[in-house]
Amino acid sequence: AQTVTQSQPEMSVQEAETVTLSCTYDTSESDYYLFWYKQPPSRQMILVIRQEAYKQQNATENRFSVNFQKAAKSFSLKISDSQLGDAAMYFCAYRKWSAGKSTFGDGTTLTVKP
Amino acid sequence: DTAVSQTPKYLVTQMGNDKSIKCEQNLGHDTMYWYKQDSKKFLKIMFSYNNKELIINETVPNRFSPKSPDKAHLNLHINSLELGDSAVYFCASSQDPGRGNTEAFFGQGTRLTVV
Repeated sequence: AQTVTQSQPEMSVQEAETVTLSCTYDTSESDYYLFWYKQPPSRQMILVIRQEAYKQQNATENRFSVNFQKAAKSFSLKISDSQLGDAAMYFCAYRKWSAGKSTFGDGTTLTVKP
Repeated sequence: DTAVSQTPKYLVTQMGNDKSIKCEQNLGHDTMYWYKQDSKKFLKIMFSYNNKELIINETVPNRFSPKSPDKAHLNLHINSLELGDSAVYFCASSQDPGRGNTEAFFGQGTRLTVV
């Protein structure tokens, strides 16, 4: 069974600084997807960034980028120039290529200090 | 235009009651899901339907029964509610692989409180 581990229950960052959230996963599959979702206090789950395992290039979305290390099964999220609106719970998720559910990590609560 | 909408957003009910949560998606996706987020914010899959067919049924009590009248709708009915059922329930949908983006799009969640 696939598992997703987020080893940092809580992280904090100063506004305008950079923070990296960690995620590791376990799978025997070679093709899959990885995601980072953001859940602000409004509880809406918002997709932040997506990575296809077959792509070697790390995904980037504006201030958000990932460091995808397939061999190490690591998928960290870097948030640059942190803003107060980035404060939320962040979930790392894995999905098999062949459809089905997404498996989520336990989440990391990010606090942004002004 | 709401992509995945679920109703109600809040539900407070007494133990032993039966309740339903409705979900609709207008994204044309083939697969829909129910997830449960407990008080510690852990998010776990409950059910998944693909084109109205049940494809995933995690270890969920029989009191929970999903129903998909068509591929755009997936409702969740809960019988004999218990205190431990209190949680936020999320509906989500996604496209099949090979047809573009496959991330799950989530509804806004239904906070169920059983008293």
